[in-house]
Amino acid sequence: EADIYQTPRYLVIGTGKKITLECSQTMGHDKMYWYQQDPGMELHLIHYSYGVNSTEKGDLSSESTVSRIRTEHFPLTLESARPSHTSQYLCASSEFGSRGYTFGSGTRLTVV
Amino acid sequence: GENVEQHPSTLSVQEGDSAVIKCTYSDSASNYFPWYKQELGKGPQLIIDIRSNVGEKKDQRIAVTLNKTAKHFSLHITETQPEDSAVYFCAASKEAGSTLGRLYFGRGTQLTVWP
Repeated sequence: EADIYQTPRYLVIGTGKKITLECSQTMGHDKMYWYQQDPGMELHLIHYSYGVNSTEKGDLSSESTVSRIRTEHFPLTLESARPSHTSQYLCASSEFGSRGYTFGSGTRLTVV
Repeated sequence: GENVEQHPSTLSVQEGDSAVIKCTYSDSASNYFPWYKQELGKGPQLIIDIRSNVGEKKDQRIAVTLNKTAKHFSLHITETQPEDSAVYFCAASKEAGSTLGRLYFGRGTQLTVWP
């Protein structure tokens, strides 16, 4: 069973809507990450956090924002969704640096 | 930062044959190299990893080899089965320093095993 949970699994929304993708983990991991996965499979790091109140932008420019108020929770927010935001979003966490990354099952977002 | 290249992007093999996926990395300071398997509709899962003080590691039908001098590492799957069909990602990282915790992924290989 998963120790990292993403909701919703699938989401179809209209352009201009504000959305929040949820990610929660029960393992007490300090480090959490958001990846955007394009149809060509490639994983792009868009945000990461090394602990509470710590957030950093990743390699791929993203119009999304994140927050880390609690260790177990790392939500991603899009203030105004656009069709270009259509993608799969994967959340991950790790305890010991780069070892032991655990991924969630992802949220497939479609903006129409 | 680190640059990880992965080949091939797609690989089709007959059940029972072997499959090999190759990756190269650019940062000689990288010292940890995991492999992830992503099945349809799921997130990637760690299947095997290797550290730079080891040249080869095996776990049943899968093995990983590392050549530090050439900065490349490979995943070998023997006696492939249809359930091995998935997307495989290699990754590299430094287990110390300012990028602690950052994994740099290859672009993925879609492996299809035909019965």
